[in-house]
Amino acid sequence: GESVGLHLPTLSVQEGDNSIINCAYSNSASDYFIWYKQESGKGPQFIIDIRSNMDKRQGQRVTVLLNKTVKHLSLQIAATQPGDSAVYFCAERDTGGSYIPTFGRGTSLIVHP
Amino acid sequence: AAGVIQSPRHLIKEKRETATLKCYPIPRHDTVYWYQQGPGQDPQFLISFYEKMQSDKGSIPDRFSAQQFSDYHSELNMSSLELGDSALYFCASSAGAGGSQPQHFGDGTRLSIL
Repeated sequence: GESVGLHLPTLSVQEGDNSIINCAYSNSASDYFIWYKQESGKGPQFIIDIRSNMDKRQGQRVTVLLNKTVKHLSLQIAATQPGDSAVYFCAERDTGGSYIPTFGRGTSLIVHP
Repeated sequence: AAGVIQSPRHLIKEKRETATLKCYPIPRHDTVYWYQQGPGQDPQFLISFYEKMQSDKGSIPDRFSAQQFSDYHSELNMSSLELGDSALYFCASSAGAGGSQPQHFGDGTRLSIL
């Protein structure tokens, strides 16, 4: 399944499927991007980051893709598991300006067993 | 690995009362950030400190103040509490303020105003 980020705040997938969560950012000067996972009752947890001199970065079961031309960021989760159910936030930072990350609207990922 | 510690985890206050939230950053992290998160909302930045000095200010109400102490822990002081202050308050820390370092968040303080 695929989320269109701001326009679809909930993404439901079956266990084992791949998930894609999208995020559109607004500041063309942003040069550092972070994905966070927030489980109910907990603080945002760092998943993966990417700098603007890269267009792809892989972690364990996660891949972040960055398209600076259209100011779009995506998080791909392979073989989604029930434990991946959470709200996912993207955040952007302009490290040459204010270094405070700006959070995008979260996407709720629901994984059905 | 040590994480960001926040206390208390839950706090119930009445309108017009005061509250103090505490944050203990990850060891050797010199930057602390405070965020407010309403239900179903993304975290909103309030204020940050680097090396015990205020480094940036967001949407923090004048009724709130914060500081970072010599041991790098931080406290958020909230006065004249209003119903709208009910929210999750997160603290995050990072190593350095201007670089590309991710923030690490605590599990928050849930503040409820009656």
